[in-house]
Amino acid sequence: EIVLTQSPGTLSLSPGERATLSCRASQSVSSIYLAWYQQKPGQAPRLLIYGASSRATGIPDRFSGSGSGTDFTLTISRLEPEDFAVYYCQQYGSSLTTFGGGTKVEIK
Amino acid sequence: QVTLKESGPVLVKPTETLTLTCTVSGFSLSNARMGVSWIRQPPGKALEWLAHIFSNDEKSYSTSLKSRLTISKDTSKSQVVLTMTNMDPVDTATYYCARIAARPGYYYYMDVWGKGTTVTVSS
Repeated sequence: EIVLTQSPGTLSLSPGERATLSCRASQSVSSIYLAWYQQKPGQAPRLLIYGASSRATGIPDRFSGSGSGTDFTLTISRLEPEDFAVYYCQQYGSSLTTFGGGTKVEIK
Repeated sequence: QVTLKESGPVLVKPTETLTLTCTVSGFSLSNARMGVSWIRQPPGKALEWLAHIFSNDEKSYSTSLKSRLTISKDTSKSQVVLTMTNMDPVDTATYYCARIAARPGYYYYMDVWGKGTTVTVSS
């Protein structure tokens, strides 16, 4: 089973700043099966990025994904107030799905 | 509009079996490129994938919980059912179902989620 490790655990930033979130896999992940989700308190997760770099419908272009193999990155170019939330990466492989432990992006 | 709604007991006792139902609308469980996953989230903790099922009845389970889980679907009712046996207080969580968009060799992601249902395990 592939383990996803997200870092940092918490990112303290101000609105307007750039956020860089990391997702590292214990073994190689096919990039077509790597996704990112955003979750706000009391809400269900929302799909942001699939296929490592494709934005889901309605997702603003300040969100971008990159990476391959074992290292993937979610970048938020300029943080808006509504972007402060928890972000999860997720992979699918060998008929199994796993999520990372999450990165909380909080207001500094 | 695609929606998923989870339903089931709010409270279960230790050792009991939990049965959760996900009722979907706006898409068919017979769609070849779609499936449904169950995911849970203990209070204050991360998401944990539990199981998924596809239109061809292909099923897969979390390695750590495989012995306790059963997933099934009733296409005519647009429902996916998850059962978890031998419930324990550590299984207290919000349980979500989500639609999977999948095409082997092309993509796999969960694009629409239900609001979740909270289950507490306590005597």
